[in-house]
Amino acid sequence: AQKVTQAQTEISVVEKEDVTLDCVYETRDTTYYLFWYKQPPSGELVFLIRRNSFDEQNEISGRYSWNFQKSTSSFNFTITASQVVDSAVYFCALITKTSGSRLTFGEGTQLTVNP
Amino acid sequence: DARVTQTPRHKVTEMGQEVTMRCQPILGHNTVFWYRQTMMQGLELLAYFRNRAPLDDSGMPKDRFSAEMPDATLATLKIQPSEPRDSAVYFCASGLVASTSYNSPLHFGNGTRLTVT
Repeated sequence: AQKVTQAQTEISVVEKEDVTLDCVYETRDTTYYLFWYKQPPSGELVFLIRRNSFDEQNEISGRYSWNFQKSTSSFNFTITASQVVDSAVYFCALITKTSGSRLTFGEGTQLTVNP
Repeated sequence: DARVTQTPRHKVTEMGQEVTMRCQPILGHNTVFWYRQTMMQGLELLAYFRNRAPLDDSGMPKDRFSAEMPDATLATLKIQPSEPRDSAVYFCASGLVASTSYNSPLHFGNGTRLTVT
């Protein structure tokens, strides 16, 4: 069985602060993919990134960066110089070869960036 | 920009009434999912289809929920009779999934916010 844990239910920061959202996953599969999705107040789920289990290189996209560490089964997401528009619920998700196409989502982290 | 379209965006109904939610997946996507989001349970997979065939509906209460894909451009989720505990946001998502490539990012619709009173 697969499981994704986002221990931080809510995070509140002031604009321009850096913030890291934690994600820990569990799976017995050796082949899997990890995702992050953003759910802004408007409600839709927006795909941010996909990472496969064989690629532990960190990734940076503008103010976003992701740190994947298989040794700790973590796939953390950092926003640098946060902005009010970053306020949203962020979901980490896992898909494995044996789970087929089914995504397992974490509980989500509500990020609030205050001006 | 191709999008998954869901209707209605909001639905308020009384207990016992039938509710039908519709989804138009992105053209060319072969896999369609229905997820339910609640505060208590988070995002739960209800059912999904590949090439219009149901692959898994184990997440759905069978006695009242049904999901279909009458054609490649329409997926429906029906609740009959509805109950207050069905109040949630229902998301449809689509993706292009091959047998050798199961990791296609899913594209989600804006959801249908259902309130059953």
